[in-house]
Amino acid sequence: EADIYQTPRYLVIGTGKKITLECSQTMGHDKMYWYQQDPGMELHLIHYSYGVNSTEKGDLSSESTVSRIRTEHFPLTLESARPSHTSQYLCASSDWLAGGETQYFGPGTRLLVL
Amino acid sequence: TQLLEQSPQFLSIQEGENLTVYCNSSSVFSSLQWYRQEPGEGPVLLVTVVTGGEVKKLKRLTFQFGDARKDSSLHITAAQPGDTGLYLCAGVSDSTDSWGKFQFGAGTQVVVTP
Repeated sequence: EADIYQTPRYLVIGTGKKITLECSQTMGHDKMYWYQQDPGMELHLIHYSYGVNSTEKGDLSSESTVSRIRTEHFPLTLESARPSHTSQYLCASSDWLAGGETQYFGPGTRLLVL
Repeated sequence: TQLLEQSPQFLSIQEGENLTVYCNSSSVFSSLQWYRQEPGEGPVLLVTVVTGGEVKKLKRLTFQFGDARKDSSLHITAAQPGDTGLYLCAGVSDSTDSWGKFQFGAGTQVVVTP
């Protein structure tokens, strides 16, 4: 079982508010990721990090930002939330398992922007 | 362009029936993972396959990695309502333009009715 945590699990917020979605893992993984996913749809990579002080934008353009000051912590921030940001946000970390690199996911944060 | 194509997109079957989900690509993958995701939750890892031709079994689930490491299948025997969920394949491609990045299929929604 993966030890990766996300808070809050659910968030309802008004337009224009600043929010930070928290993600922590206790497995010591260097690589971490943020995905955006609408219900029942595919995952879209929005940010990733290969280690402390390393952050990169993913394939899907996003108005969010991330930071990686500590190995275990990879928060995502929206400076000004909009209804178009309504979605599920999934955090993951990866490691080598049985010869293959494997991702482990947190439970997700469901965001609703009114 | 999706590197990993999953089929079918949706599958509805009766309890006790068998089903197979496919994950195909024109690219070679160093490893492939299968996940199951329930609504409002993060994907949960089922298996990682790394060797061409490899077959792995997890209770009633059988996973196969193609000989050329370009495709994979998931077969469920005697499906149960608890098997309901979104099944996702993912992997790290060997192709130069996406080397080292995780690619995800769009998912297959499986519904097993009692």
